Amino acid sequence: SQTIHQWPATLVQPVGSPLSLECTVEGTSNPNLYWYRQAAGRGLQLLFYSVGIGQISSEVPQNLSASRPQDRQFILSSKKLLLSDSGFYLCAWRPTGAGGYTFGSGTRLTVV
Amino acid sequence: GENVEQHPSTLSVQEGDSAVIKCTYSDSASNYFPWYKQELGKRPQLIIDIRSNVGEKKDQRIAVTLNKTAKHFSLHITETQPEDSAVYFCAASISAGNQFYFGTGTSLTVIP
Repeated sequence: SQTIHQWPATLVQPVGSPLSLECTVEGTSNPNLYWYRQAAGRGLQLLFYSVGIGQISSEVPQNLSASRPQDRQFILSSKKLLLSDSGFYLCAWRPTGAGGYTFGSGTRLTVV
Repeated sequence: GENVEQHPSTLSVQEGDSAVIKCTYSDSASNYFPWYKQELGKRPQLIIDIRSNVGEKKDQRIAVTLNKTAKHFSLHITETQPEDSAVYFCAASISAGNQFYFGTGTSLTVIP
């Protein structure tokens, strides 16, 4: 069966520090992968999605970037965090061409 | 692009009553409509979905209806229970497309 792993679960980082969040999927190949952000009490904002290795689409201009170095690995990064980067970050995967998302357990990021 | 609107933003019902959440979409090419439930601090989880070739789908106490002509779809929860309290998100997508467009969420509270 397919599983999605996301870590860390919580993170407190100072303003200006770098960020790296990792997401991996098991039990499937060539999944579509997504990064979403959810501010406190708000909806789901799509940040990036990827349909294959090295293929990244950005939905919202910001100081974040994403990479997909392997088929089942998706990384969200920042060189310098801002206070406004605080939120709940969710990785998701979807079988190519069908079905709903399965979300990872999320990373709660607090920038201080 | 697609625009999904969701109403109401908050909903309180007495235990045992029914709850209805409504969404509208703008892109007639959308043909897949999932609903997600997000409990506090947890990941969104798919609870039911419907494709555009079906007008209604039921799963125990949960049902979803779709009106393609009017471009709206609704989530119906009958015999509500306290554990139904959560934030519910609707979404729309093209089945083979790369992303979902989410509504802004409905915070449902079931009062015992």
